[in-house]
Amino acid sequence: AQTVTQSQPEMSVQEAETVTLSCTYDTSENNYYLFWYKQPPSRQMILVIRQEAYKQQNATENRFSVNFQKAAKSFSLKISDSQLGDTAMYFCAFMKSGTYKYIFGTGTRLKVLA
Amino acid sequence: EAQVTQNPRYLITVTGKKLTVTCSQNMNHEYMSWYRQDPGLGLRQIYYSMNVEVTDKGDVPEGYKVSRKEKRNFPLILESPSPNQTSLYFCASSYTLAGVGEQFFGPGTRLTVL
Repeated sequence: AQTVTQSQPEMSVQEAETVTLSCTYDTSENNYYLFWYKQPPSRQMILVIRQEAYKQQNATENRFSVNFQKAAKSFSLKISDSQLGDTAMYFCAFMKSGTYKYIFGTGTRLKVLA
Repeated sequence: EAQVTQNPRYLITVTGKKLTVTCSQNMNHEYMSWYRQDPGLGLRQIYYSMNVEVTDKGDVPEGYKVSRKEKRNFPLILESPSPNQTSLYFCASSYTLAGVGEQFFGPGTRLTVL
């Protein structure tokens, strides 16, 4: 069975600084997808970034980038130039290729300080 | 407007009283899913559907039923709710599997079972 672990329940960062959220996962699958979702206080779930396991290049979306280490089963999220609007709960998620079965981590609550 | 809608948004009920939470999407998405979110546990998948009349169990299906009789709707049924089903519930849908399509989430349903 797959598992996703987020070991940082809470983090804080100063506005304009860079922060990295960690995520590790366990799977015996070779083909899968990894995601970071953001949940602001409004509770709406928003996709931040997606990584296909077969791609070696790390995904980037504007100020958000990942460090995907397949052998180490690590998938960290880096937020550059942090903004107050980045304050949210962040969830790491895994999906086996060819299915719609998702496994989410327990989340990291990020607070951006003015 | 493309969206996933859930009703009701808030519900307080009593143990054993059958209830249904509706989920509807207007994006012609193939894939739909239900999650529950609990503090410290993240999101856990209850059931998912990869096509009309095709449903599969997620990680926490006990005490829940679903049906997918038409593409746009995916109701979640609690035949005999119990207090441990008090939670925040999310419905989500996708056009394709993760490689191309992102998962769109509904606004959530806060359920309290007394």
